[in-house]
Amino acid sequence: GAGVSQSPRYKVAKRGQDVALRCDPISGHVSLFWYQQALGQGPEFLTYFQNEAQLDKSGLPSDRFFAERPEGSVSTLKIQRTQQEDSAVYLCASSPRTGYGYTFGSGTRLTVV
Amino acid sequence: SQQGEEDPQALSIQEGENATMNCSYKTSINNLQWYRQNSGRGLVHLILIRSNEREKHSGRLRVTLDTSKKSSSLLITASRAADTASYFCATDPAGGTSYGKLTFGQGTILTVHP
Repeated sequence: GAGVSQSPRYKVAKRGQDVALRCDPISGHVSLFWYQQALGQGPEFLTYFQNEAQLDKSGLPSDRFFAERPEGSVSTLKIQRTQQEDSAVYLCASSPRTGYGYTFGSGTRLTVV
Repeated sequence: SQQGEEDPQALSIQEGENATMNCSYKTSINNLQWYRQNSGRGLVHLILIRSNEREKHSGRLRVTLDTSKKSSSLLITASRAADTASYFCATDPAGGTSYGKLTFGQGTILTVHP
């Protein structure tokens, strides 16, 4: 597609529910990043994929967070047993290769109630 | 953790004026990038400046980089109401990852009044 597509746009989850957030990057982009953005803050790195390989998951806040990109294109970020502190905007970005700017999706705003 | 710090946190100007935002960072970098974020939307890449470059232009945007001071500035000339947004600098640290992992600052909120 022309851009990075994320779904759903908004998600309200009850505390303790599991959620799955989808990212469809630009076709052919090798690099895929997930970031978390709290209100009024800059994005914080969560995890990175190079094709289907998850090379860095150092930013995932807990073992409740899990990401995958099984075929090197679409990626899913899963959060198990959501907590209120998980409320944030989750941004996906892709890049053709190192040294290029990212193309971001519009994000998924997750609200845990 | 946030590597870059933008200054000012908020900036309010009239249409037609210039807007200058600054970014300071702590470690050596491969490149520094500026992004814009409209309310409730994703970030849009504006410009990338490499560590061996000192100045770069793109339309009404001018970015400077001073690696000795570990700082960068973004100048928007002849601002328009449509430039109202949050602006973030992001750094790709040297000696870090090989895949361009970016660390973002907290952003400058720019408001341009018509």
